[in-house]
Amino acid sequence: DAKTTQPPSMDCAEGRAANLPCNHSTISGNEYVYWYRQIHSQGPQYIIHGLKNNETNEMASLIITEDRKSSTLILPHATLRDTAVYYCIVRSYSGNTPLVFGKGTRLSVIA
Amino acid sequence: GAVVSQHPSWVICKSGTSVKIECRSLDFQATTMFWYRQFPKQSLMLMATSNEGSKATYEQGVEKDKFLINHASLTLSTLTVTSAHPEDSSFYICSARRTGWDNTEAFFGQGTRLTVV
Repeated sequence: DAKTTQPPSMDCAEGRAANLPCNHSTISGNEYVYWYRQIHSQGPQYIIHGLKNNETNEMASLIITEDRKSSTLILPHATLRDTAVYYCIVRSYSGNTPLVFGKGTRLSVIA
Repeated sequence: GAVVSQHPSWVICKSGTSVKIECRSLDFQATTMFWYRQFPKQSLMLMATSNEGSKATYEQGVEKDKFLINHASLTLSTLTVTSAHPEDSSFYICSARRTGWDNTEAFFGQGTRLTVV
């Protein structure tokens, strides 16, 4: 699976939008982009995933560039409970393969 | 949404003893489950892939005789840490995806914190 690059940390003011970038320049045509987050001492929580179109759900929006080499996770109105480590993962959709985690971005939402 | 449950949430054991961790998919079947380990301030590291009715596949560097995995049913996988030592103290997390839904999200258990004293 393709490797991803994320900034190690980011801060965001409470109530503002948090935009978390991810580079995946070696992504191939059969790979999805997944986003998970991990709040301290808990298991990862699924946020969203997409192939090439932008996606939105009740938690977040995922914007994937046209060339698919990068993406941005958007939390529209960050709250203190969104403080977590956010992982961007690229995974092939062929076969039941595991998610391979990188170092992620530690998002701190500040009051 | 789908739920994956781990038990226990935390356990303290003496060095040399064995500890079993259970991972259950509560409302879906999972032919395959995954086990991860996470040390403090580090990311999740894949340990092994657990396959129902067959042997688990271990990642390089993970001792299969130390970390015994059994996946006896479509909703239960167990990880047994045998002859535990303090260096095995870690956060163990399992994951599962609905059987046949390869493109969808994987769900994670809440994790088990193992402390070996």
